[in-house]
Amino acid sequence: DSGVTQTPKHLITATGQRVTLRCSPRSGDLSVYWYQQSLDQGLQFLIQYYNGEERAKGNILERFSAQQFPDLHSELNLSSLELGDSALYFCASSVAPPGLAGGDTQYFGPGTRLTVL
Amino acid sequence: GENVEQHPSTLSVQEGDSAVIKCTYSDSASNYFPWYKQELGKGPQLIIDIRSNVGEKKDQRIAVTLNKTAKHFSLHITETQPEDSAVYFCAARQGAQKLVFGQGTRLTINP
Repeated sequence: DSGVTQTPKHLITATGQRVTLRCSPRSGDLSVYWYQQSLDQGLQFLIQYYNGEERAKGNILERFSAQQFPDLHSELNLSSLELGDSALYFCASSVAPPGLAGGDTQYFGPGTRLTVL
Repeated sequence: GENVEQHPSTLSVQEGDSAVIKCTYSDSASNYFPWYKQELGKGPQLIIDIRSNVGEKKDQRIAVTLNKTAKHFSLHITETQPEDSAVYFCAARQGAQKLVFGQGTRLTINP
């Protein structure tokens, strides 16, 4: 158990809908990362937050957004869902941002499996 | 940007034998190279990492080697056991940039 929690574990929804995925980082970790894992794309970095502020963006679609709250939990919002958005979504956390002491090691949560029908 | 290629995509070895997975990266400024193990239904778990100022690192049956000149790094697992069966991912990062992952290797240990 990494200490990172994600809810829900599974989510089934229809095209055009909007969903929210939730992540609680390990106790003491200030950085949160979101990744998408699909069969043909591997693990793709979406976005990173540090202490409530966005720090880095990856291949995140405009239909997707995220935020980190004062209690450090994070939510990933996916809207206007398409069939191709079906994937595993992982949250990871680290003590600090990459490049700073403690920022290298990322601990991953168990993931949320999103199925868009 | 960084690009990481990982080989092989699948690997099957007999229990007790060694397994080697290789990755190449494109950005010579990359300085951090972790390896993750992902078991079925779980998130990736860091098993070992290496920084660019080190050529080799060992942790019990697992070792990672880095060749900065050739821009490749490898994961070595010795005395493989059934519980080593999983998907393994390499990754590379330059400074404060994002982690870029390889496509993964599905390792199967045959009893």
